[in-house]
Amino acid sequence: EAGVAQSPRYKIIEKRQSVAFWCNPISGHATLYWYQQILGQGPKLLIQFQNNGVVDDSQLPKDRFSAERLKGVDSTLKIQPAKLEDSAVYLCASSLERVSYEQYFGPGTRLTVT
Amino acid sequence: DAKTTQPPSMDCAEGRAANLPCNHSTISGNEYVYWYRQIHSQGPQYIIHGLKNNETNEMASLIITEDRKSSTLILPHATLRDTAVYYCIVRVSNAGNMLTFGGGTRLMVKP
Repeated sequence: EAGVAQSPRYKIIEKRQSVAFWCNPISGHATLYWYQQILGQGPKLLIQFQNNGVVDDSQLPKDRFSAERLKGVDSTLKIQPAKLEDSAVYLCASSLERVSYEQYFGPGTRLTVT
Repeated sequence: DAKTTQPPSMDCAEGRAANLPCNHSTISGNEYVYWYRQIHSQGPQYIIHGLKNNETNEMASLIITEDRKSSTLILPHATLRDTAVYYCIVRVSNAGNMLTFGGGTRLMVKP
């Protein structure tokens, strides 16, 4: 079974530029999550999708972050404009259903904002 | 979700059992204990979870105290590949499946 795919793996941008990350969840997984992991901390949930609808985006900085999951499969997370404090690893995860006990994580995208 | 407390770091000799403690003294009756681990440069990986009974799978064992205020994750024969950050998470099973990660325990397995 293929895992959660993410791209790019690494990205370096200057502050005020925009960036987008892509995630392809495990086939058949209805629930998709984006987490932000700052160096030395545990991951923090940004947004959760159930199929193509948003379940929870309470911790997403909506003035600069946006996410979509068209057709309920792939998802993109965008930051515009980026700030220095956005430097982090952005992790995508998926689970079969919202009540599934196991989430499967991708390798993450490491973003550096200079 | 209840807050958890874990030691920031631990060492373990290769081949020996690694016992990782977690304190969750404010856990509610409907909250489960989950363990995930994160190997360097990878995403977190599910290990095991439990409610009140001890659990065992191919990766680890989970021992939950009778009052459920603390638990221990046991890796019976630690290998170098078990070096990782281990997260203890407490959450209601149907709480939208959201995971709230703390700082975790950095386990270093040494030869």
